[in-house]
Amino acid sequence: SAVISQKPSRDICQRGTSLTIQCQVDSQVTMMFWYRQQPGQSLTLIATANQGSEATYESGFVIDKFPISRPNLTFSTLTVSNMSPEDSSIYLCSVGGGQEKLFFGSGTQLSVL
Amino acid sequence: GQQLNQSPQSMFIQEGEDVSMNCTSSSIFNTWLWYKQDPGEGPVLLIALYKAGELTSNGRLTAQFGITRKDSFLNISASIPSDVGIYFCAGRRFGNEKLTFGTGTRLTIIP
Repeated sequence: SAVISQKPSRDICQRGTSLTIQCQVDSQVTMMFWYRQQPGQSLTLIATANQGSEATYESGFVIDKFPISRPNLTFSTLTVSNMSPEDSSIYLCSVGGGQEKLFFGSGTQLSVL
Repeated sequence: GQQLNQSPQSMFIQEGEDVSMNCTSSSIFNTWLWYKQDPGEGPVLLIALYKAGELTSNGRLTAQFGITRKDSFLNISASIPSDVGIYFCAGRRFGNEKLTFGTGTRLTIIP
């Protein structure tokens, strides 16, 4: 399985500011996925990030709020823009691992005051 | 988006007990995955299932792909303290790279 590193692991932010989360994978992968996990909830897919093209967003998520970059096959960033307390969640980066498996990073715990 | 229904929502058991949980859907899935999430961590893949009726083990964990392809089951035998956490099922439909996640089962071991 791929080794996925996320930074920061946690942050406390003021409302109205933005936070960029980095995801680094130890091998080249075609697709990277960003998930949100609200407190006590399951995982919800935000978007799929493909290298060389714009990210594909799921219903309820927009590029202006969650811009994503995918500059190469091992790295991606997710920005949470103009944050409000409702954005307090765990944000998770994931990659496919062959045989239809999906592997996750350790997540970024975001608290917005 | 759609979520898979997991049951039970939470479990309180004593160390050494066996655990059973399930995941159901109104749709057919071609792949079932089971994950465990510890506090402050990302989900870790436990078992992957690929065909109806398949039974796969990973140590004390055993998972089954339901015959109807609309459900899956996870059993943990002789639970130990490190089994505490939240267990998520996830399913993938044929031709769709996206996973649908279950609502989660929180396992607590009573001392």
